[in-house]
Amino acid sequence: NAGVTQTPKFQVLKTGQSMTLQCAQDMNHEYMSWYRQDPGMGLRLIHYSVGAGITDQGEVPNGYNVSRSTTEDFPLRLLSAAPSQTSVYFCASRPSGISYEQYFGPGTRLTVT
Amino acid sequence: RKEVEQDPGPFNVPEGATVAFNCTYSNSASQSFFWYRQDCRKEPKLLMSVYSSGNEDGRFTAQLNRASQYISLLIRDSKLSDSATYLCVVNVPGGSYIPTFGRGTSLIVHP
Repeated sequence: NAGVTQTPKFQVLKTGQSMTLQCAQDMNHEYMSWYRQDPGMGLRLIHYSVGAGITDQGEVPNGYNVSRSTTEDFPLRLLSAAPSQTSVYFCASRPSGISYEQYFGPGTRLTVT
Repeated sequence: RKEVEQDPGPFNVPEGATVAFNCTYSNSASQSFFWYRQDCRKEPKLLMSVYSSGNEDGRFTAQLNRASQYISLLIRDSKLSDSATYLCVVNVPGGSYIPTFGRGTSLIVHP
């Protein structure tokens, strides 16, 4: 199986543009999440989902929307891109149950000019 | 105070050295603890889970101290290939248990 996949790998946006970062997993994991990683800041949770139809906000949700219509997919939407959203975005998934590790996608490097 | 704190380093050690990292967490109700490794510009990958009794995987040993609210990672006989950032992850209560990352500790192993 492919694990966690993310597209695109790289993206450049202009301020005010919108776009969707795609994330998919083929491991039937219930829990999925989106993080952003900035230099010196570690990984910060944007949104997460504990199952299809259920989403919740993380530490830094402003400017982002998510939906979870299927177990496999968890897209992240940037509503109106701002330079402060320049970052590396990682999607992750894990089985339900807190003792399990998370599996990460390869990341999307986003630059907003 | 951040929920999960790590010394960012860098820890600069020669090959063959033993090095230890600590990670403190603020919520005593936290459950499940992990160490991840992240290579430059790549995704984090699980290095090892941390169990209450402590656990070892080859050159790596992880410990949990619930009383003092920290976890540790010990690397023995460091290799050049151990150079990476080591991320501490704690599942923090809040609706669902949320995996919360420390900022990472940078390790550089030199010849």
